[in-house]
Amino acid sequence: AQTVTQSQPEMSVQEAETVTLSCTYDTSENNYYLFWYKQPPSRQMILVIRQEAYKQQNATENRFSVNFQKAAKSFSLKISDSQLGDTAMYFCAFMETGNQFYFGTGTSLTVIP
Amino acid sequence: ETGVTQSPTHLIKTRGQQVTLRCSSQSGHNTVSWYQQALGQGPQFIFQYYREEENGRGNFPPRFSGLQFPNYSSELNVNALELDDSALYLCASSLGGLAVYNEQFFGPGTRLTVL
Repeated sequence: AQTVTQSQPEMSVQEAETVTLSCTYDTSENNYYLFWYKQPPSRQMILVIRQEAYKQQNATENRFSVNFQKAAKSFSLKISDSQLGDTAMYFCAFMETGNQFYFGTGTSLTVIP
Repeated sequence: ETGVTQSPTHLIKTRGQQVTLRCSSQSGHNTVSWYQQALGQGPQFIFQYYREEENGRGNFPPRFSGLQFPNYSSELNVNALELDDSALYLCASSLGGLAVYNEQFFGPGTRLTVL
């Protein structure tokens, strides 16, 4: 069974600093996708960044980047120059083919002014 | 282009009742997935509908059922409600195909409380 583990229930970071959120997953598949989603207090889930497992290069989206370690089944999210609007729940998610997502339990990130 | 919408926003039911939640997919999307998000947890996959057919189901009992209509909107029905069914129910739409990744766009959710 596929599982996604986020071991940091809560984290905080000073505004303009960098923070890294951790995620590990378990699968026997070779082809899959990994995601980080952001869920602000307003609840709507927003895609932050996506990584295809067959790509060795780590994905980046502006201030957001990932460290994808396929052999270790690790997928961490780095947020640079943290902003107050980054305060939210962050979910790591895993998907094989077929669009069924498996989510972790989330990390609550607070950006401190 | 409109995003994913869900109705109602909030709902309160009593144990044993039945409930229907609704989701309108983003324009052009033919796939809808439903998730249950208990308080303090990540979303759990319930099932997915692709072109009006169920296309995958998570570990939920048969009292959770769904429909997808020709316009690709969808309903989630839950019979014989239990206290543990209290959760945020999310739907997500995508331009689906089988074995192809397409980005899922989430709705704001329906908060169901079972008393």
